[in-house]
Amino acid sequence: DARVTQTPRDKVTEMGQEVTMRCQPILGHNTVFWYRQTMMQGLELLAYFRNRAPLDDSGMPKDRFSAEMPDATLATLKIQPSEPRDSAVYFCASGLRGTNTEAFFGQGTRLTVV
Amino acid sequence: AQTVTQSQPEMSVQEAETVTLSCTYDTSENNYYLFWYKQPPSRQMILVIRQEAYKQQNATENRFSVNFQKAAKSFSLKISDSQLGDTAMYFCAFMWAGSYQLTFGKGTKLSVIP
Repeated sequence: DARVTQTPRDKVTEMGQEVTMRCQPILGHNTVFWYRQTMMQGLELLAYFRNRAPLDDSGMPKDRFSAEMPDATLATLKIQPSEPRDSAVYFCASGLRGTNTEAFFGQGTRLTVV
Repeated sequence: AQTVTQSQPEMSVQEAETVTLSCTYDTSENNYYLFWYKQPPSRQMILVIRQEAYKQQNATENRFSVNFQKAAKSFSLKISDSQLGDTAMYFCAFMWAGSYQLTFGKGTKLSVIP
């Protein structure tokens, strides 16, 4: 069945290292979101794309975070350099704007920066 | 900006009983959608139920139903005949039709007790 796939599922890295999280949206979906979940802040929108173009990344720390969609089947979220405060679960979600309001979530990447 | 408030950080219910989770939201928009998402320990975010603001009839999905009070900006979730598998975090979310972005509440941790 169709699902959003995120890799890796878990990642432990040292402070200062580059981290790349990947997302394969559901085939045919034209909108992709990145959310971050922490105990303190809950679920926050970092960025979202429509038809591979970034529409809003105002929730993302620009100095160290970057989000891209190299093609329609791949979205990436990079952190460079990573810091302990980046430890969180990062979710990717996809949807089809214009026909359905539902966003389908991946299982998330749990990032731990030590 | 929209805000979503879930005033019950934790709740518990006996198996087979009924429980209601509360959610209030604040918006000046008139065309929007409301959602309840479930997040079990597996981390997967699962859509439970959706309500269109223009619909007066409350949405239902099997054992799950909502009480949507538009004037009061209230959107509660009722779970009937609670099952052990309902144990999870429940998030209320708001989406303005013009943005397609979800704003989440902080969540309610529901425990179903055998």
